[in-house]
Amino acid sequence: DIQMTQSPSSLSASVGDRVTITCRASQSISSYLNWYQQKPGKAPKLLIYAASSLQSGVPSRFSGSGSGTDFTLTITSLQPEDFATYYCQQSYSTLGSFGQGTKVEIK
Amino acid sequence: QVQLQESGPGLVKPSETLSLTCTVSGGSISSYYWSWIRQPAGKGLEWIGRIYSSGSTNYNPSLKSRVTMSVDTSKNQFSLKLNSVTAADTAVYFCARVEYYSGWYPVDYWGQGTLVTVSS
Repeated sequence: DIQMTQSPSSLSASVGDRVTITCRASQSISSYLNWYQQKPGKAPKLLIYAASSLQSGVPSRFSGSGSGTDFTLTITSLQPEDFATYYCQQSYSTLGSFGQGTKVEIK
Repeated sequence: QVQLQESGPGLVKPSETLSLTCTVSGGSISSYYWSWIRQPAGKGLEWIGRIYSSGSTNYNPSLKSRVTMSVDTSKNQFSLKLNSVTAADTAVYFCARVEYYSGWYPVDYWGQGTLVTVSS
């Protein structure tokens, strides 16, 4: 099984900050890496697929990078609506596993 | 715009069967993978399984012995049955679509989620 590990588990940031979340796979997954945003009581929302492709309608302040085992989600200029939990997910294998999540909180 | 809506009982007794249905609107259920994913309160996301519109399935090995998924293309619905439930199965259950035309298989549409509590 492929294990996905996110860091940090949580972070505090201010509006306007640049935020970086990392995700590491236990084996190479090429670029089969997706990022989701989840707000309390809501379903996850796809932000990035294929490691760096922005899903339609997602603001350009979100970007993704990486390949192989190490990946990054970056939010430039954090906005009030970006405070949420972010999950990475590998789609290299069937029923691709999720990371444990990174909660972005207001400082 | 594709929309998914879960339906089913919110309370199930221990040892009984959890049954949920997902109704897809705004698009055809044909030629896509459809999934069930669950999330216990305050925890992360766990795949339960996926089903193709033809009926072929893939289940999480940890749940495989208790899970059955089915699809009804005439009603644009797919369903989940999880038997012999325990309190550990208490979670929000999401139905979702796996997009594969891009070749990258992200989960691009999700239902709002439905809370299922296992309790006597």
